[in-house]
Amino acid sequence: QLVLTQSPSASASLGASVKLTCTLSSGHSNYAIAWHQQQPEKGPRYLMKLNSDGSHRKGDGIPDRFSGSSSGAERNLIISSLQSEDEADYYCQTWDTAMGVFGGGTKLTVL
Amino acid sequence: EVQLLESGGGLVQPGGSLRLSCAVSGFTFSSYAMNWVRQAPGKGLEWVSGTSGSGSTTYHADSVKGRFTISRDNAKSTLYLQMTSLRAEDTAVYYCAKGDQWLVRSDFDSWGQGTLVTVSS
Repeated sequence: QLVLTQSPSASASLGASVKLTCTLSSGHSNYAIAWHQQQPEKGPRYLMKLNSDGSHRKGDGIPDRFSGSSSGAERNLIISSLQSEDEADYYCQTWDTAMGVFGGGTKLTVL
Repeated sequence: EVQLLESGGGLVQPGGSLRLSCAVSGFTFSSYAMNWVRQAPGKGLEWVSGTSGSGSTTYHADSVKGRFTISRDNAKSTLYLQMTSLRAEDTAVYYCAKGDQWLVRSDFDSWGQGTLVTVSS
């Protein structure tokens, strides 16, 4: 069974960069995933699709500050020049045969 | 502009039924898969159900299989979720999410604002 593992929390200073990681369970290291952002009291927003080779395709209107990288089973979301509005929950998501799977989410605090 | 507007949420007793709707605009509805995703209070996102562009293929999470049914009316550009035998653990905000292609197994590239379902006596 495919599992996506995310750290529950992360923090970084205003203007700095942060890397959030989503780890695919054993046997699924070649899967692509998607990243979604959920700001407080809002619905989620699609950020990007991230492939196993690190290539990624961002959603409409997603700033250049958001990028992705991959290493083995890790799928990373990198946010540079952090802004206050980046404080949000971030979820990774993929498909396991006939079932959608979400990671537990990472709550990002901008200090 | 893609717009997804959920409706139909509310308070329902355990064992009861409810039908959610998601009216869409801004894209050719029948060309894209659609999904329902829920979020219990204070919890993370949980995928619930998905349907292909034609509606011929549907998937449901094990937690709702046999109780929930996803469907769509492409003529009305509307997605539905029929929920029966509701339980307290089904209490959540339910979001509809558009796929980025016709197949069910596609990225969720647009989301609605959600509708709250509360199951309580």
